[in-house]
Amino acid sequence: SAVISQKPSRDICQRGTSLTIQCQVDSQVTMMFWYRQQPGQSLTLIATANQGSEATYESGFVIDKFPISRPNLTFSTLTVSNMSPEDSSIYLCSVRPGLSTYEQYFGPGTRLTVT
Amino acid sequence: QQQVKQSPQSLIVQKGGISIINCAYENTAFDYFPWYQQFPGKGPALLIAIRPDVSEKKEGRFTISFNKSAKQFSLHIMDSQPGDSATYFCAASRSPGSARQLTFGSGTQLTVLP
Repeated sequence: SAVISQKPSRDICQRGTSLTIQCQVDSQVTMMFWYRQQPGQSLTLIATANQGSEATYESGFVIDKFPISRPNLTFSTLTVSNMSPEDSSIYLCSVRPGLSTYEQYFGPGTRLTVT
Repeated sequence: QQQVKQSPQSLIVQKGGISIINCAYENTAFDYFPWYQQFPGKGPALLIAIRPDVSEKKEGRFTISFNKSAKQFSLHIMDSQPGDSATYFCAASRSPGSARQLTFGSGTQLTVLP
């Protein structure tokens, strides 16, 4: 399985500011995803991070609010822009090693609180 | 048609008992059914998974039972331990490869009493 690290592990941010979350994987992976998990809730897919091209966003999520970069096969960033208290959540990086791979793994998450 | 319905929302079991969590799906195109275990403050960890070509898969104390005709699958935790106390999510996904995305159930908070 892939080992995934995220930075920061948690942060408290002011309303109106932006935070960039980093995701690093210990091996090259084909698919990288970003999820949001609100307190006590299930996981919601924000977008698929595509290497060398724009991310693919799910309904309800837009690039201006959640810009994503993926410069290579082991690294991705998610920025939460112009934050409001409603953005307080856990943000999770997830990977699937190959296109034909079924297994999907999650990072430890970034716990974001917006005041 | 993309939903996965999970029950119960919460479950309390005595140590040594059997914990059973159920999931149901509608989309017959789903062909991969994993279970994730999540401890507080941690990311979900892949626990066990099954493909629809088998009706049961066992790994240690954890067993998935799969009923294709009923479109249901369940997680059984035998000899439940306090260390199993966590939130469990079922999920499902389908082909093709690049579009394979997990659809998650709503989660079950399991508490195993000592």
